Amino acid sequence: DTGVSQDPRHKITKRGQNVTFRCDPISEHNRLYWYRQTLGQGPEFLTYFQNEAQLEKSRLLSDRFSAERPKGSFSTLEIQRTEQGDSAMYLCASSPPGGQARAEQYFGPGTRLTVT
Amino acid sequence: GDSVTQMEGPVTLSEEAFLTINCTYTATGYPSLFWYVQYPGEGLQLLLKATKADDKGSNKGFEATYRKETTSFHLEKGSVQVSDSAVYFCALNNNDMRFGAGTRLTVKP
Repeated sequence: DTGVSQDPRHKITKRGQNVTFRCDPISEHNRLYWYRQTLGQGPEFLTYFQNEAQLEKSRLLSDRFSAERPKGSFSTLEIQRTEQGDSAMYLCASSPPGGQARAEQYFGPGTRLTVT
Repeated sequence: GDSVTQMEGPVTLSEEAFLTINCTYTATGYPSLFWYVQYPGEGLQLLLKATKADDKGSNKGFEATYRKETTSFHLEKGSVQVSDSAVYFCALNNNDMRFGAGTRLTVKP
């Protein structure tokens, strides 16, 4: 199975520390998305890459958040100086090329972040 | 902006009962519509989709029909199983994916 994978699955960190998450999309998918999901809510969009280009960022993505996709394959999401409000599930999704901007997205298992 | 509203949970049903989870949307143009399912501790799995008006998406006994006149995409299943217990999310993609808040379904034996 070559679905979307994320690492780590769980991360506990102390307030003020930096954390980095990795996402490996489905291999032929050129679009990659990051979302944040808090308890009892649906995912909220954070940012979007097409190949290596970061094309869109949500206002939710404060200056402490940065995402990269340097070679158009895997992506990383870094949170600097974590705050307790950053505690959430961080989901990565990918979708295939072909010009279908309204296509379905395939999600990874998520990284659950707990900031103590 | 675009948005999705789905029926609040939790929903508790007995095995073999009929399921309906209501979903309505607000969007300009012609979004694609989706239902995703999330099991505990996991990411979202695509359950079914519809890309234009009157399309019916179906999978694993679940169905939903894209109704543009009522801006709805209600999820139905004729006979639920305990294994269907999960959180269900309605979503639209109109160049940006937007999700509802989710509806938790518990099916009791």
